[in-house]
Amino acid sequence: DIQMTQSPSSLSASVGDRVTITCRASQSIRTYLNWYQQKPGQDPKLLMYSASNLQSGVPSRFSGSGSGTDFTLTISSLQPEDFATYYCQQTYSMGGVTFGPGTKVD
Amino acid sequence: EVQLVESGGGLVQPGGSLRLSCAASEFTFSEYWMNWVRQAPGKGLEWVANINQDGSDKNHVDSVKGRFTISRDNAKNLLYLQMNSLRVEDTAVYYCARGGRWFDSWGQGTLVTVSS
Repeated sequence: DIQMTQSPSSLSASVGDRVTITCRASQSIRTYLNWYQQKPGQDPKLLMYSASNLQSGVPSRFSGSGSGTDFTLTISSLQPEDFATYYCQQTYSMGGVTFGPGTKVD
Repeated sequence: EVQLVESGGGLVQPGGSLRLSCAASEFTFSEYWMNWVRQAPGKGLEWVANINQDGSDKNHVDSVKGRFTISRDNAKNLLYLQMNSLRVEDTAVYYCARGGRWFDSWGQGTLVTVSS
């Protein structure tokens, strides 16, 4: 199975900060990489798909980049509603979809 | 607006069985891959299983192979997860999610607790 790692596992930030989260795959996944946001008690929400495509309705302060094994999610100016946990996900292997362990932004 | 509503969760003893359902509405269910994803208390997301549009292709995470089975009824717009031989470590909120290469809609989840 393809293993996903994220760094950092948690970070402290303030409103207005630029935040970058890194996701790494154990083998090349081309751009089959998605990002989700989850707030406590809520279901996950798709932010970015195929590494760099912004899901409809998601603010443009979110951006994604990368291909192969290394990917980043960037929040250009952190807003109060962005405090949450962020997960990357690979779907290169449809028979073995995997999520990263998550990054908590508080 | 896409709606996914899970049901069937509850408390079950180790070794027991449950069948989860996910009722889909406001989209053409038969055109989408569907998934089950779980989240143990205080833990991260774990993909459990997926199924293609006509049910001919199914995949399960290794930890549930031979115990859980995903299925669907396109005539009723329902997704299922049959869970047998349940273990304490299967305790989690189970979400159904729409999509193949990315999951763009999720249900609110149903809690499965495996305990004696």
